[in-house]
Amino acid sequence: KAGVTQTPRYLIKTRGQQVTLSCSPISGHRSVSWYQQTPGQGLQFLFEYFSETQRNKGNFPGRFSGRQFSNSRSEMNVSTLELGDSALYLCASSLEAAFNTGELFFGEGSRLTVL
Amino acid sequence: AQSVTQLDSHVSVSEGTPVLLRCNYSSSYSPSLFWYVQHPNKGLQLLLKYTSAATLVKGINGFEAEFKKSETSFHLTKPSAHMSDAAEYFCVVSDRLLRGTSYGKLTFGQGTILTVHP
Repeated sequence: KAGVTQTPRYLIKTRGQQVTLSCSPISGHRSVSWYQQTPGQGLQFLFEYFSETQRNKGNFPGRFSGRQFSNSRSEMNVSTLELGDSALYLCASSLEAAFNTGELFFGEGSRLTVL
Repeated sequence: AQSVTQLDSHVSVSEGTPVLLRCNYSSSYSPSLFWYVQHPNKGLQLLLKYTSAATLVKGINGFEAEFKKSETSFHLTKPSAHMSDAAEYFCVVSDRLLRGTSYGKLTFGQGTILTVHP
């Protein structure tokens, strides 16, 4: 069974630009969660989507948004990029809502560098 | 409100010696607890989970953790470290936000970097 696939793996943007990251969950998984990982702040929860609905949201500004499609694939978008948005963005999928199982399957991440 | 505290940001051991990574938590209700591992440039992988069954939980790669409610701890141990264990480890708590509801959240600790010396 294929794992969680995130694209692109690496990207470089400049301040003010916007970026879209994609996540394909494991087949049959309905929940997709997004996390931001930085050396200073560690792992921070962005949002969770379950059956195309945002189920939970972390404490991030409105520049961070996401969506989930009917095939459970998910995208997240960051608009008006800032230097502090440089991070590893991790996507995780699970069969049920993440809170219910706690068993998340993570992709290898998209490393975003903002110059 | 729930929270997780990993008591050591870095732990260094020699190959073949025991590993102890400490985690304390706070939770309003009955939490589930997990340990995840992240190798360099990789995503996180579930090591083990506690969900109110046996308090001593065995995971992959020889790791185990013991849930101690009285101490609100869930420390991760391994009898003998291997070079391949060098990674970052995350303690995670899952709990309901409101009793009787299906809304909850996962909270990750800040991580412990394990270094294994030859």
